[in-house]
Amino acid sequence: DTEVTQTPKHLVMGMTNKKSLKCEQHMGHRAMYWYKQKAKKPPELMFVYSYEKLSINESVPSRFSPECPNSSLLNLHLHALQPEDSALYLCASSRGTSGNTGELFFGEGSRLTVL
Amino acid sequence: RKEVEQDPGPFNVPEGATVAFNCTYSNSASQSFFWYRQDCRKEPKLLMSVYSSGNEDGRFTAQLNRASQYISLLIRDSKLSDSATYLCVVNKLQAGKLIFGQGTELSVKP
Repeated sequence: DTEVTQTPKHLVMGMTNKKSLKCEQHMGHRAMYWYKQKAKKPPELMFVYSYEKLSINESVPSRFSPECPNSSLLNLHLHALQPEDSALYLCASSRGTSGNTGELFFGEGSRLTVL
Repeated sequence: RKEVEQDPGPFNVPEGATVAFNCTYSNSASQSFFWYRQDCRKEPKLLMSVYSSGNEDGRFTAQLNRASQYISLLIRDSKLSDSATYLCVVNKLQAGKLIFGQGTELSVKP
């Protein structure tokens, strides 16, 4: 069983909807991540939070808005998405930060479909 | 040139075969290296960290060649359950993140 929990597991939304993806970890990790993964492609980094502060934004469109309410929680707010945003969204955490992260622990992902 | 490059797949092998995956990285300052495994429609999971001295875990052996900027993964006596995509991952210290290779798909057949 994964120690990083993501909800919902599946989400279907229209292009005008506002929704949120949630992620939780209780391993005391100080870095949390959002990745986007399309079929047959590797995970693509979107955001990194280090000690609850946004440290990396990989030029992600503003229709994706991350939030880190505390050290255990990470949200990804979605608004006015496009069909090409349909993908598996993976949350991950790690003990270390700043590139010397050690192992990444991934959640099972939220599979998003934008109609 | 991609920062992390892997052998193109898919690799289709019979049970019991030995299979090797290769990965090259472009940033000589990289210090941490990993192999992750991702099953179909599942999340990636760490298979092995890769150390300079090489390391072995059962049927799996990982090697690192810093001079050639090359990482390998050897799987001996392949099992059906080894079928998955294997991702080579390298840290990019200056950028504070891990870089994933494209992945190599392995299919082990009876």
